[in-house]
Amino acid sequence: DGGITQSPKYLFRKEGQNVTLSCEQNLNHDAMYWYRQDPGQGLRLIYYSQIVNDFQKGDIAEGYSVSREKKESFPLTVTSAQKNPTAFYLCASSFRTAQETQYFGPGTRLLVL
Amino acid sequence: QKEVEQDPGPLSVPEGAIVSLNCTYSNSAFQYFMWYRQYSRKGPELLMYTYSSGNKEDGRFTAQVDKSSKYISLFIRVSQPSDSATYLCAMGRVTGANSKLTFGKGITLSVRP
Repeated sequence: DGGITQSPKYLFRKEGQNVTLSCEQNLNHDAMYWYRQDPGQGLRLIYYSQIVNDFQKGDIAEGYSVSREKKESFPLTVTSAQKNPTAFYLCASSFRTAQETQYFGPGTRLLVL
Repeated sequence: QKEVEQDPGPLSVPEGAIVSLNCTYSNSAFQYFMWYRQYSRKGPELLMYTYSSGNKEDGRFTAQVDKSSKYISLFIRVSQPSDSATYLCAMGRVTGANSKLTFGKGITLSVRP
């Protein structure tokens, strides 16, 4: 059953803590993306990767980091430098580039304790 | 002026009504246009993808693109309570080796039984 999985569904972060959100896809897609969604703000691009071992900053990359060591996986780390991390985080993938259809995972809701 | 503007909503209609959702854009470089549907606390799912001006129909859904006037619309016929969701427009362009989508903020639709 092909698709995108994100874990955990809910994540709690303490002050000064780094947390990592997981994103895995078995669609054989080359490109993967991380978005942040806040109420009334729509989706904003954090990072994207079009090939293994390469990634680019999106519009709001500060306070976040990513890696792309495998085609199937694109984890996002929310660092302590991100002062307002509470949001709904969405991972997406597409076959080659964003020109093609992006398929989204179910999302991870991050809350700050 | 934002690149993509979407009617803010929320929108409430009775079951069976025709729904019209609209987005306008300012960047004439956008080449492809999408509509996503997002149920509460879920990831967005693609409804329609269009590449050229004109209408594209899929069941009860019709996507309309007018590049000369820089607006896109999604029409939902015979609306049903299961159509209650947030609808996001998205637009993309290819810039060299990279391409990315720009999303509207979304409009929340409620279809009353």
